[in-house]
Amino acid sequence: GIQVEQSPPDLILQEGANSTLRCNFSDSVNNLQWFHQNPWGQLINLFYIPSGTKQNGRLSATTVATERYSLLYISSSQTTDSGVYFCAVDDNNNDMRFGAGTRLTVKP
Amino acid sequence: DAGVTQSPTHLIKTRGQHVTLRCSPISGHKSVSWYQQVLGQGPQFIFQYYEKEERGRGNFPDRFSARQFPNYSSELNVNALLLGDSALYLCASSSQGLTLHFGNGTRLTVT
Repeated sequence: GIQVEQSPPDLILQEGANSTLRCNFSDSVNNLQWFHQNPWGQLINLFYIPSGTKQNGRLSATTVATERYSLLYISSSQTTDSGVYFCAVDDNNNDMRFGAGTRLTVKP
Repeated sequence: DAGVTQSPTHLIKTRGQHVTLRCSPISGHKSVSWYQQVLGQGPQFIFQYYEKEERGRGNFPDRFSARQFPNYSSELNVNALLLGDSALYLCASSSQGLTLHFGNGTRLTVT
């Protein structure tokens, strides 16, 4: 099955800093989503982005499907951005595969 | 509109017992998926249902089963519980299998 790798596994930032999270996948996908899991375990959908670029406030994402990677950008980070960020992909088998996540800690 | 709701929020069971977890999707969503998340890992796909039919099954033993009802709500059943089944069980709904919206999960502890 399709493999999903996220990097870095852990990231510590000072409030106000910018960051880039990466997701590599091993095969063509028709569905790619980014999620944020807060410290209470709630998974929030950030982007549905199988290709192209999207922006939502301080967050933006880019997927280059031909090169099999996606990037999530966080600008002017805040302590509430802390948590785990997951990338998930689907190769049309109705099976969303999640990466291991990037654990982000934003310090005040 | 209400989001995806799951019940119960927490559950403690003994090895060998059976458990039923419930999920109500967002109104209008016909697709429901179930995931298992073990501490420190990403969610693992268990099942997807669309219009009451199973559309996908992950690599889980036959002790795991699910169904979707005419109102699109869903149940996940796990028989003969093992210690390793302790996890956060997440339900997600979507419209036509696109953007996933997750519930808050059921935290299952097997002792």
